[in-house]
Amino acid sequence: DTEVTQTPKHLVMGMTNKKSLKCEQHMGHRAMYWYKQKAKKPPELMFVYSYEKLSINESVPSRFSPECPNSSLLNLHLHALQPEDSALYLCASSQVRDRGSTGELFFGEGSRLTVL
Amino acid sequence: KNQVEQSPQSLIILEGKNCTLQCNYTVSPFSNLRWYKQDTGRGPVSLTIMTFSENTKSNGRYTATLDADTKQSSLHITASQLSDSASYICVVTPFSGGYNKLIFGAGTRLAVHP
Repeated sequence: DTEVTQTPKHLVMGMTNKKSLKCEQHMGHRAMYWYKQKAKKPPELMFVYSYEKLSINESVPSRFSPECPNSSLLNLHLHALQPEDSALYLCASSQVRDRGSTGELFFGEGSRLTVL
Repeated sequence: KNQVEQSPQSLIILEGKNCTLQCNYTVSPFSNLRWYKQDTGRGPVSLTIMTFSENTKSNGRYTATLDADTKQSSLHITASQLSDSASYICVVTPFSGGYNKLIFGAGTRLAVHP
């Protein structure tokens, strides 16, 4: 199983809503990531979890709240988002190598978020 | 500043033809260089990954080459198919590694026409 599964595939929400994006992998990877991608741009790193602990937060606004309940699951909780937050949100996972370097990244299909 | 630049920005070819995409980088030293294929609105899928000591890596009709001296990589697609229409992204990991050190190129958008 080399899949990273993301749900939902599409999400439309208002600026006052609270919603969550979910990500799951069963490859035994202990590093999981959230990326944000705007149209025709490369992915931008948001968060990294290593061994279920938050390792990297790329100065992401607090209206995005990540959570890693266990080694297979990664959530991104959304609250009070802005229209400019509309984007494709990608989850990825990898092995953790020495000195924190990553193995190959496996991406999910993405969740297309639209904020009205 | 570590950068990864890809060319061309976009490319249109006819089905069955070959094409080559370019990636120039200033990252040095680097750990590995990867090529991903990304269909519109989907997640990137890994095509090849090469360490600094490798010169070429193939995956079916996709062949990546790496010249660490000139800091250039190319992705050659043979006998293109309509399903090859996608963005192709070059990603470099600096030798210092670290989760947030992946440097993405802006991608080349390839359109294969019948």
